[in-house]
Amino acid sequence: ETGVTQTPRHLVMGMTNKKSLKCEQHLGHNAMYWYKQSAKKPLELMFVYSLEERVENNSVPSRFSPECPNSSHLFLHLHTLQPEDSALYLCASSLSRGEKLFFGSGTQLSVL
Amino acid sequence: GDSVTQMEGPVTLSEEAFLTINCTYTATGYPSLFWYVQYPGEGLQLLLKATKADDKGSNKGFEATYRKETTSFHLEKGSVQVSDSAVYFCALMVGTASKLTFGTGTRLQVTL
Repeated sequence: ETGVTQTPRHLVMGMTNKKSLKCEQHLGHNAMYWYKQSAKKPLELMFVYSLEERVENNSVPSRFSPECPNSSHLFLHLHTLQPEDSALYLCASSLSRGEKLFFGSGTQLSVL
Repeated sequence: GDSVTQMEGPVTLSEEAFLTINCTYTATGYPSLFWYVQYPGEGLQLLLKATKADDKGSNKGFEATYRKETTSFHLEKGSVQVSDSAVYFCALMVGTASKLTFGTGTRLQVTL
């Protein structure tokens, strides 16, 4: 148990659906991250939030929309995804940027 | 740009065998190096790290030495257990507030 909780654990959605992934941490961390884990590819950093402000967006398509309403919660809103977006989406947090990362268990997303 | 190259898996070993998972890197500066482990159904956890050349990181019987001359950070364990079955990720970070760059991960399967 790392202290970072992600829901749902599994999600199946059609290409026209709108869904959201949720991440929650009560570790007192100030930085939160979204990563994408695809088979046989390096872990891809998608977004970084520091003190609720987005500080990094690594050329992620606009069909992925992050939201950080407070320092404990991070969302990833999904809209009109493609089958190639199917992957494990991992949330992580750290005390501040550059500090040790604590990962959640991920949401396994399948886009049909 | 920065990159990490890991040996492709899966690596299948019998219990008590010696483990080596190779990792080499390319970095524009002087990176810190990390090994993360992902057990089935869980997020990534930091296993060990080394912050400068010739440092040796160690944890739970695993070791890795930062070799600047060969730009490598190979993971080793003298005697693996079934409970070590997981995916192992090598990663680097340049600077103190920079992002982690991950390798593709290497799956280890240990059998009785």
